[in-house]
Amino acid sequence: KAGVTQTPRYLIKTRGQQVTLSCSPISGHRSVSWYQQTPGQGLQFLFEYFSETQRNKGNFPGRFSGRQFSNSRSEMNVSTLELGDSALYLCASRPDPGRNQPQHFGDGTRLSIL
Amino acid sequence: ILNVEQSPQSLHVQEGDSTNFTCSFPSSNFYALHWYRWETAKSPEALFVMTLNGDEKKKGRISATLNTKEGYSYLYIKGSQPEDSATYLCASPDSGAGSYQLTFGKGTKLSVIP
Repeated sequence: KAGVTQTPRYLIKTRGQQVTLSCSPISGHRSVSWYQQTPGQGLQFLFEYFSETQRNKGNFPGRFSGRQFSNSRSEMNVSTLELGDSALYLCASRPDPGRNQPQHFGDGTRLSIL
Repeated sequence: ILNVEQSPQSLHVQEGDSTNFTCSFPSSNFYALHWYRWETAKSPEALFVMTLNGDEKKKGRISATLNTKEGYSYLYIKGSQPEDSATYLCASPDSGAGSYQLTFGKGTKLSVIP
């Protein structure tokens, strides 16, 4: 069974630009979550989608948005990039957003803002 | 947003030593406690999902215990090996809008010295 696939793996952008990251979940998983990881901050929850609906959103500005398609694939968009957005962005999937369901993570997209 | 804390932040042990570290979480409105292992250049991997007070889970040389009344979980590694070097994360689900988003601690970085 293929794992969670994130594209691209690496991305370099400049301030003010926007970026779209993609995530394909494990087949059969309908819940997709996004996390940001920066040094010293740990994994910060961005949002979770289930059945094409955003179920939860973390404490991030409106520049961070996402969506989920009918095949459960998800995209995350960041507009008006800032230097502080440089981070590793991890996508995770699970069959449903239940409390006992562990997350299955992708390898992440490393975003660098110049 | 839950407050999930892990200690110590980092740990160096000799190969063959046994070690343990702690995850603290709010004991009220407890749903579950997840443990993950995150090796360098890989994606986080789920180790355990624990739900009941007094729960004890084991996977090879790694085991975990759970005390929901006092709000802590211990992760034990018996006879540490270099391949155990990783960051160990715990996470607790927080309920919102019909899903259980995971709040992660900042992790304990374990280095096993050969």
